[in-house]
Amino acid sequence: QSALTQPPSASGSPGQSVTISCSGTSTDVGGYNFVSWYQQHPGKAPKLIIYEVTQRPSGVPDRFSGSKSGNTASLTVSGLQAEDEADYYCSSYADFNILLFGGGTKVTVL
Amino acid sequence: EVQLVESGGGLVKPGESLRLSCAASGFTFSSYSMNWVRQAPGKGLEWVSSISSTSNYLYYADSLKDRFTISRDNRKNSLYLQMNSLSAGDTAVYYCARTFDVLTASPPDSWGQGTLVTVSS
Repeated sequence: QSALTQPPSASGSPGQSVTISCSGTSTDVGGYNFVSWYQQHPGKAPKLIIYEVTQRPSGVPDRFSGSKSGNTASLTVSGLQAEDEADYYCSSYADFNILLFGGGTKVTVL
Repeated sequence: EVQLVESGGGLVKPGESLRLSCAASGFTFSSYSMNWVRQAPGKGLEWVSSISSTSNYLYYADSLKDRFTISRDNRKNSLYLQMNSLSAGDTAVYYCARTFDVLTASPPDSWGQGTLVTVSS
């Protein structure tokens, strides 16, 4: 049950885009479309921003988008805003009914 | 509106037990799988356990399956986590979270605010 791999940090200036990768294997990210992304501000619970690889829950700005290629999923935040500064986690269903999370990426808006 | 409210956290000594509860409202609890996810201070999210809507299927992280037990009471719209033989490594905020996809252990959509468990002598 290895965690998914995310870069520990990413940054961008307001208005720019930042992309976060989430690397797994064929038994998790690559094998299923049950990949989600969460945003977490300090002291708060995680908030779902992408589910099923590319889907956005209602109320989530379209600045947030998800994709997947092979065993790697990605989250792109376009038009960075100050309030996007947070920790971001990917998550995936894995073989044998396991739920995996990435180690998290801290996004800094410069 | 989906609401998940955890309770039962607190300070316990190593080796002791604790039972967490999660009260659900705003949706048909008996139709959804549920999860426990924890987050140690300053660390990332870690899946603990998942339970299907009718309790037929229970899944655990390998490292925890011998000490933790997940359960639910659909009549009371409540989810539980029994934690035994606690150690300092179990210190974390424990979140209750709802699964919305068909697979029990698929990523959750809604999360509670969490309850803090501190294990220290």
